[in-house]
Amino acid sequence: EAQVTQNPRYLITVTGKKLTVTCSQNMNHEYMSWYRQDPGLGLRQIYYSMNVEVTDKGDVPEGYKVSRKEKRNFPLILESPSPNQTSLYFCATKNDRAGNTIYFGEGSWLTVV
Amino acid sequence: GESVGLHLPTLSVQEGDNSIINCAYSNSASDYFIWYKQESGKGPQFIIDIRSNMDKRQGQRVTVLLNKTVKHLSLQIAATQPGDSAVYFCAETGTASKLTFGTGTRLQVTL
Repeated sequence: EAQVTQNPRYLITVTGKKLTVTCSQNMNHEYMSWYRQDPGLGLRQIYYSMNVEVTDKGDVPEGYKVSRKEKRNFPLILESPSPNQTSLYFCATKNDRAGNTIYFGEGSWLTVV
Repeated sequence: GESVGLHLPTLSVQEGDNSIINCAYSNSASDYFIWYKQESGKGPQFIIDIRSNMDKRQGQRVTVLLNKTVKHLSLQIAATQPGDSAVYFCAETGTASKLTFGTGTRLQVTL
């Protein structure tokens, strides 16, 4: 079964405490991406990766880092989280050779206090 | 900048009626459009897509219409069911890497 798995699904953390949200896919897709979803703003792209060791900024990359050391994993790193990073985060993946359909994970609710 | 927007934040439809969800886009270079459905607590799920060289595409109970002249996209759901209640997003892309989403329309199906 095709899966995009995110962890943790729910997290409450404090300002400045580094955290990582992991994302793993079992579809051998080259393209992976992170989005955040906020009320009234829809889904906004944070970072994306076209392949291993290739990452690029999306629309709202400030305050985030990513890495792509292997094809299946694309962790999102918040080095020093701030309250404005409280949001719902989605990892997504796409098979570029089969069109532009993007598959999303179940989401990670992050609250920074 | 380029944007994708939705006309209505909430749409209430009676069960069995047809639903029409609208979307406007501003990037004339967009060549691929997608509708996603997001149920509470879940990630967006692909519903249907359409390329810019088409005006209409039909799926099971869903139809997407594209009017490139006025940069307008719509999703029609036939015989709306309670399970159709969700937030619907349109998205557009003109490149392989960037997908721009609208802010979403909540569809409420009343019995």
